[in-house]
Amino acid sequence: DAGVTQSPTHLIKTRGQQVTLRCSPKSGHDTVSWYQQALGQGPQFIFQYYEEEERQRGNFPDRFSGHQFPNYSSELNVNALLLGDSALYLCASSPRGGGGNQPQHFGDGTRLSIL
Amino acid sequence: AQTVTQSQPEMSVQEAETVTLSCTYDTSENNYYLFWYKQPPSRQMILVIRQEAYKQQNATENRFSVNFQKAAKSFSLKISDSQLGDTAMYFCAFTTGGSGATNKLIFGTGTLLAVQP
Repeated sequence: DAGVTQSPTHLIKTRGQQVTLRCSPKSGHDTVSWYQQALGQGPQFIFQYYEEEERQRGNFPDRFSGHQFPNYSSELNVNALLLGDSALYLCASSPRGGGGNQPQHFGDGTRLSIL
Repeated sequence: AQTVTQSQPEMSVQEAETVTLSCTYDTSENNYYLFWYKQPPSRQMILVIRQEAYKQQNATENRFSVNFQKAAKSFSLKISDSQLGDTAMYFCAFTTGGSGATNKLIFGTGTLLAVQP
């Protein structure tokens, strides 16, 4: 039973570029959340997708956008990259619409470095 | 605002001993869930233990147990018989429950635990 898979594992970009990160949820899960984890910090919630729509959003600018596909996989897009966007980006999935009582399962993350 | 505070940036424990990691949180909600996650150098966030706020009994998972003090908004993690594989960053996290709530997690800043041989 495959867990949450993220790609790529590591990415290097320069300021001003755009990046797309990908996530496949754990089998049987329909809800995907994205988190940004800066070095030495706890993860910060970016947004959550369910039924191909953004259901909840954290305090992140519009440069951060996402998408969920019919097979429940998801993409995180970041435009006009800034040095401060350098972080580990974590994807988490959960079943049954991701209600408060549903635990989240995390992937290994994508390490994004901005030069 | 809902916040989670971990006041111990780093801790160290000898193998086979017991260690307690502290966490406090702030919320006006009555229905919520608390978690401890472990993040080893491999980066994957692994769920260690979970506590429902409506349950008075403290959660236990093998060598891991919590001390949940709802009135004090405190949620500490006790690791018994520490093992070298327990070396990791530990995050306390919170999510609200109730109808229509999502499972968005609010994390603390983490405690880096080093288990010494």
